[in-house]
Amino acid sequence: AQSVTQLGSHVSVSEGALVLLRCNYSSSVPPYLFWYVQYPNQGLQLLLKYTTGATLVKGINGFEAEFKKSETSFHLTKPSAHMSDAAEYFCAVTAFSGNTPLVFGKGTRLSVIA
Amino acid sequence: GAGVSQSPRYKVAKRGQDVALRCDPISGHVSLFWYQQALGQGPEFLTYFQNEAQLDKSGLPSDRFFAERPEGSVSTLKIQRTQQEDSAVYLCASSTHRIATEGSTDTQYFGPGTRLTVL
Repeated sequence: AQSVTQLGSHVSVSEGALVLLRCNYSSSVPPYLFWYVQYPNQGLQLLLKYTTGATLVKGINGFEAEFKKSETSFHLTKPSAHMSDAAEYFCAVTAFSGNTPLVFGKGTRLSVIA
Repeated sequence: GAGVSQSPRYKVAKRGQDVALRCDPISGHVSLFWYQQALGQGPEFLTYFQNEAQLDKSGLPSDRFFAERPEGSVSTLKIQRTQQEDSAVYLCASSTHRIATEGSTDTQYFGPGTRLTVL
């Protein structure tokens, strides 16, 4: 069984400040991990994914995440927040192949203050 | 098509009515998923198709929910005798299919969703 915990349902940062969104997972098998972003009234857009190999994964829009097996974490970061980053962010886990259902966290809403 | 499309985008139903939600996946995508997203929650898996075969329906919450993909392309999620607890956004996702090997994964591309409100 797999599960995802996203710490903080709402995170607020100032424009230009560091963005840190936390994700911890539980998986009985090696996990594949994803971050998706959802803008209002839109579907989910993939930011980045980790399968195997390099543990620091770079994604779109300047986001990156680091897989830490010892901490069962996959936190999402961005050095400098933009107003356009305001959205809902979801961490998700699956096993072995993307052609299996994703298990999502409850999401973190990111607000960016001018 | 350019992306996954879903229709209608919004649906209001009276309790007890039947509804049908449509998903048009990306052309050529073999795998298709349905998820339910309640207000303030993350998406939850409902069911999965590979071509026309429904390989997993373990997430369907009751026998009022039924999904089909008869020709391996367009899919329809049907909810019979809708209840207020069925109110949610229903998301469809599609992906290409490759023989699963460790280290490979296909991205699931999501549609904009259908927001269902049951009064």
